[in-house]
Amino acid sequence: QKEVEQNSGPLSVPEGAIASLNCTYSDRGSQSFFWYRQYSGKSPELIMSIYSNGDKEDGRFTAQLNKASQYVSLLIRDSQPSDSATYLCAVRGGNTNAGKSTFGDGTTLTVKP
Amino acid sequence: GAGVSQTPSNKVTEKGKYVELRCDPISGHTALYWYRQSLGQGPEFLIYFQGTGAADDSGLPNDRFFAVRPEGSVSTLKIQRTERGDSAVYLCASSYGGTDTQYFGPGTRLTVL
Repeated sequence: QKEVEQNSGPLSVPEGAIASLNCTYSDRGSQSFFWYRQYSGKSPELIMSIYSNGDKEDGRFTAQLNKASQYVSLLIRDSQPSDSATYLCAVRGGNTNAGKSTFGDGTTLTVKP
Repeated sequence: GAGVSQTPSNKVTEKGKYVELRCDPISGHTALYWYRQSLGQGPEFLIYFQGTGAADDSGLPNDRFFAVRPEGSVSTLKIQRTERGDSAVYLCASSYGGTDTQYFGPGTRLTVL
């Protein structure tokens, strides 16, 4: 079992819809949770970070964290074709070292015009 | 300001050769990370520096891989006796400290023939 699990997709949504991306993690001691966007051939770009249970909103993006369920999600409202990318969930902290981030393999999102 | 830079952007080498990959972090960032990413997978942690010292090198796959950061700024990832399985994109990231946002460089695509 991977430490960070994501549905590989592809996830396809129409323009203007809500895209929902999910991630589960195995290390109960994890402290920090991140969503990165990665366009094809480019490096990961941080879009959201969340550290405590509940929701965190930033523009069209909402991150949700449930530490009891070891689950973190990302909602993208009013999806745009420019949101088409791979979304990586990353988890940091826990029992080993605060610096190391463990990534899932990403969910590929396609937003169709 | 300038972001994380990595050189070369592409490196093609033959099996058994030695390669060096360079990372220049954002000025003032004390933490530096190396990851590698294979096609269709998320970044895989290799090593994390805090200042000049390796705070966590648990991700280095074997003793052919070595990284240094002698002055606490630029880092070099060194791979000896390269193997075809080393082919991947090597990503460098930096942050102010070990718990802060990581900013990724554009990566070096290594191809071992």
